[in-house]
Amino acid sequence: QVQLQESGPGLVKPSQTLSLTCTVSGGSISSNYNYWSWIRQPAGKGLEWIGRISTSGSTNYNPSLKSRVTISVDASKNQFSLKLSSVTAADTAFYYCARETTYRFDYYGMDVWGQGTTVTVSS
Amino acid sequence: EIVMTQSPATLSVSPGERATLSCRASQSISSNLVWYQQKPGQAPRVLMYGASTRATGIPARFSGSGSGTEFTLTISSLQSEDFAVYYCQQYNDWPVFGQGTKLEIK
Repeated sequence: QVQLQESGPGLVKPSQTLSLTCTVSGGSISSNYNYWSWIRQPAGKGLEWIGRISTSGSTNYNPSLKSRVTISVDASKNQFSLKLSSVTAADTAFYYCARETTYRFDYYGMDVWGQGTTVTVSS
Repeated sequence: EIVMTQSPATLSVSPGERATLSCRASQSISSNLVWYQQKPGQAPRVLMYGASTRATGIPARFSGSGSGTEFTLTISSLQSEDFAVYYCQQYNDWPVFGQGTKLEIK
């Protein structure tokens, strides 16, 4: 059974770069049927999709964050990563990584999630 | 950019009763819609995909309908474990979530 685990600093200073890694276990990150996504959720608020990467390395980003986001994949480590630059207090949130599954013409949604990690932006 | 609007923001329903949650897209998304359930302290989980197909392990009391711009999630007889926040998400282009509906006990 595939599991995801986020890791990275819980505290980031304003204007610096937030960096998180998601480690995939119990399965391969190189599946042709999956995208690997980052989603965040400010405390008490809703979900915001940040972006995703496919096995081939193609990326899609939320237009509102695109200028600050980079998502990359390291298949040799079965990991994918998020970098969000020039952070402010508005980037304080719970960050999740998730797997999206597609097969032929069906999209099954974000069907596996990590447990999430809190990132606070503060000096 | 497609905007997803969920209503109501909060829905108060008694156990055993029916709950109906709505999700509206700002433009047609065909049936490219997923519903999630999120309980406090947990990650979301998929309930429905393709607007009306239950994900594996989801009880039959959950049903989804709609296409185009109007979608509905119905829970036919609420159980205690169903009180949670529900999100819709479109995937017509990139994923966009609605703002959520909190289903609370009346």
